[in-house]
Amino acid sequence: DGGITQSPKYLFRKEGQNVTLSCEQNLNHDAMYWYRQDPGQGLRLIYYSQIVNDFQKGDIAEGYSVSREKKESFPLTVTSAQKNPTAFYLCASSIDGRGVSDQPQHFGDGTRLSIL
Amino acid sequence: GQNIDQPTEMTATEGAIVQINCTYQTSGFNGLFWYQQHAGEAPTFLSYNVLDGLEEKGRFSSFLSRSKGYSYLLLKELQMKDSASYLCAVRDLLNQAGTALIFGKGTTLSVSS
Repeated sequence: DGGITQSPKYLFRKEGQNVTLSCEQNLNHDAMYWYRQDPGQGLRLIYYSQIVNDFQKGDIAEGYSVSREKKESFPLTVTSAQKNPTAFYLCASSIDGRGVSDQPQHFGDGTRLSIL
Repeated sequence: GQNIDQPTEMTATEGAIVQINCTYQTSGFNGLFWYQQHAGEAPTFLSYNVLDGLEEKGRFSSFLSRSKGYSYLLLKELQMKDSASYLCAVRDLLNQAGTALIFGKGTTLSVSS
């Protein structure tokens, strides 16, 4: 079955440490996205990528970095510069990033990141 | 700027009908989506509107008025399993570099027996 796989499900970060969240999709989607969700809050866009080797900052990109070397993979690194990383991180993909389709974004099951 | 507003919480009883409203202000509107999210889980897609009017899908319907920047999600014959957060999201053209979904904070619906 096609879908989006995020790993790990739970992740703990020590002070000063960078951690990388994995996101893999086998839906053959061009566009991929990273969102952050805090308790009682909506999803906020961190980074998005319309196509391989290209990505753009979202509303809250500071303290995060991404890469898009392969179509199916869009890993997110939470750097030590992100002072409040505790949140639920959701990866999503869509057929295209140009908005010409009625197809929705599909989400992975999320990674819950906490500070040790 | 971008702004999406929806009520924080709503309550209803089994078998009833509930309407969740969403108002939005965006610079590059390119469609509106509704998602359902159970606690600790990923959002799942419910409905999509890009033209004015009503879209019906079983027990769920969604309405859009682009001129008013307004949408609602209508849930009929409520069931206990409908207790969840409902997210209104607008697809926005971002600086000509593509589109992304901009989400409201979600409406937590509690269904009681």
